[in-house]
Amino acid sequence: DIQMTQSPSTLSASVGDRVTITCRASQSVTNWLAWYQQKPGKAPKLLIYKASSLESGVPSRFSGSGSGTEFTLTISSLQPGDFATYYCQQYNTYSWTFGQGTKVEIK
Amino acid sequence: EVQLVESGGGLVKPGGSLRLSCAASGFTFSVYSMNWVRQAPGKGLEWVSSISSRSTNIYYADSLKGRFTISRDNAKNSLYLQMNSLRAEDTGIYYCATWSLGFDYWGQGILVTVSS
Repeated sequence: DIQMTQSPSTLSASVGDRVTITCRASQSVTNWLAWYQQKPGKAPKLLIYKASSLESGVPSRFSGSGSGTEFTLTISSLQPGDFATYYCQQYNTYSWTFGQGTKVEIK
Repeated sequence: EVQLVESGGGLVKPGGSLRLSCAASGFTFSVYSMNWVRQAPGKGLEWVSSISSRSTNIYYADSLKGRFTISRDNAKNSLYLQMNSLRAEDTGIYYCATWSLGFDYWGQGILVTVSS
């Protein structure tokens, strides 16, 4: 099975900061990589699919990049509603795996 | 508006069974692959199972070891998860979710607690 490793596990930041989260796959997933935002008590929300495509309705301050085994999610200017936990997720050969999550906290 | 509503959760003893349901509305259910994703208390997300639009292809996480069965009824716009031989580690919130290029739409989740 493909393992997904996110870093950091926790990130402290202020409103207006540029934030980058990294996700590494144990083997290539080409560009089958998605990013989700989850707030406490809520279902996850799809932000990015196919590594860099922005889901409809998601603000343009969110962006994704990467291919193969290394990917990043960037929030260009952190907003109050962005404090949440973020997960990467890969799809490869009929198996789906999530990273362990990155919690973005208020500094 | 897309809606996915899970039901059937609750408290069950170790070794027991539960059947979760997910009622879909607001989209063409029969063309989407559907999935179950779970989240243990305070933990991350774990994909459980996937079923293609016509039930032709079904996949499970290796960790389940044949205890769970996914199914769907396109006539009823419904997805199911039969869970047998439940263990304490199966405790968590279970979400149903559509899949196209990502897990696009999610239900609100249903809590399953396995405890004596």
